[in-house]
Amino acid sequence: NAGVTQTPKFRILKIGQSMTLQCTQDMNHNYMYWYRQDPGMGLKLIYYSVGAGITDKGEVPNGYNVSRSTTEDFPLRLELAAPSQTSVYFCASSPWTTSPGTQYFGPGTRLTVL
Amino acid sequence: AQTVTQSQPEMSVQEAETVTLSCTYDTSENNYYLFWYKQPPSRQMILVIRQEAYKQQNATENRFSVNFQKAAKSFSLKISDSQLGDTAMYFCAFILPDSNYQLIWGAGTKLIIKP
Repeated sequence: NAGVTQTPKFRILKIGQSMTLQCTQDMNHNYMYWYRQDPGMGLKLIYYSVGAGITDKGEVPNGYNVSRSTTEDFPLRLELAAPSQTSVYFCASSPWTTSPGTQYFGPGTRLTVL
Repeated sequence: AQTVTQSQPEMSVQEAETVTLSCTYDTSENNYYLFWYKQPPSRQMILVIRQEAYKQQNATENRFSVNFQKAAKSFSLKISDSQLGDTAMYFCAFILPDSNYQLIWGAGTKLIIKP
């Protein structure tokens, strides 16, 4: 099992550009999450999904969109990138019935907006 | 509001020593799960240990153990025989089962193991 994979690992965007951060998990987990981590800070929840076709906002959703068309994939879309979106982005997944609450994280995507 | 407090922003100990990281949380719920995650310089977030609130027995994972005091809402992490590879940020978190499993995170403790 690869676990949770994220692409790309690094990306530099110009202000106003858009991009999609990819996240895939092969553990058949129902729950998936997107977090951002600013330098020296903890994680803030952007969006989450409890299953294919179902998504909901977290603490800091502005400027982002998500979709969940399959159990495996949970892409995060940044529209009109702004310097405030410079951060490290983590995707995570969680099983519903086994080990409730435990989240497994991808390696992160470091995004810089200039 | 549910909160997690880690009162030690940074700690450092010598290799092979034992260190305890503190964590307190606030919830009025009775059923929840508690976690310690480790984030080394590679930035990968790694699960260290998990505790179910309805279990009185403290969780252990090799050199890592917790002291779970439910009444005091305290969940400290003890690292025995610390190793250089334990150098990392450590985050305490908890989750309520009826919250769509949204983790509530502490601000983290930076742990430095000195040779």
